[in-house]
Amino acid sequence: EPEVTQTPSHQVTQMGQEVILRCVPISNHLYFYWYRQILGQKVEFLVSFYNNEISEKSEIFDDQFSVERPDGSNFTLKIRSTKLEDSAMYFCASSGQGLKNTGELFFGEGSRLTVL
Amino acid sequence: KNQVEQSPQSLIILEGKNCTLQCNYTVSPFSNLRWYKQDTGRGPVSLTIMTFSENTKSNGRYTATLDADTKQSSLHITASQLSDSASYICVVSAKGNNRLAFGKGNQVVVIP
Repeated sequence: EPEVTQTPSHQVTQMGQEVILRCVPISNHLYFYWYRQILGQKVEFLVSFYNNEISEKSEIFDDQFSVERPDGSNFTLKIRSTKLEDSAMYFCASSGQGLKNTGELFFGEGSRLTVL
Repeated sequence: KNQVEQSPQSLIILEGKNCTLQCNYTVSPFSNLRWYKQDTGRGPVSLTIMTFSENTKSNGRYTATLDADTKQSSLHITASQLSDSASYICVVSAKGNNRLAFGKGNQVVVIP
């Protein structure tokens, strides 16, 4: 069964360092998303991406964050200068139809980021 | 204020028993409501998606209901199994955007 894959599964970094989280969405999907979940809290939307550009972003997604689709398969989230409060599980998700049309949303297993 | 509220926050049930989880939302205009199962440390997995016109939808032992007038949904788990131990997240989508509003989840623990 097709799945969304994420790497790394866990990354530990020093405050102020840059991290790149990688995602391979399901191959024929067109809509890509990043979410984060701080330990014990609800899942929060970060950004949605369609047709090689950001379609929507939340208040959390400030200048510290960026997303890219460097090739036909990878979708990356870059955090430029990590802060302690960036420690969270980051989920990539993809959809074939988009969420406006009740499209199914498939999540990856997440990348746990720990900022020291 | 969170637009999706779930109750109970957590519950413990005996294997084989049924349970019902509640979700109230204020998201408007409403598009659809989803229930996800999230195992600890894993990504959410979709159980059901319901639109305004759907009152009930089943996926195996999981049955979701939706009352769009009162803005309430429930997820019923029948004959619970140990593998049902997880967080069950109610997620609501508004018309016209790609954002999903997530609840905090119902933490279910099934014990033998």
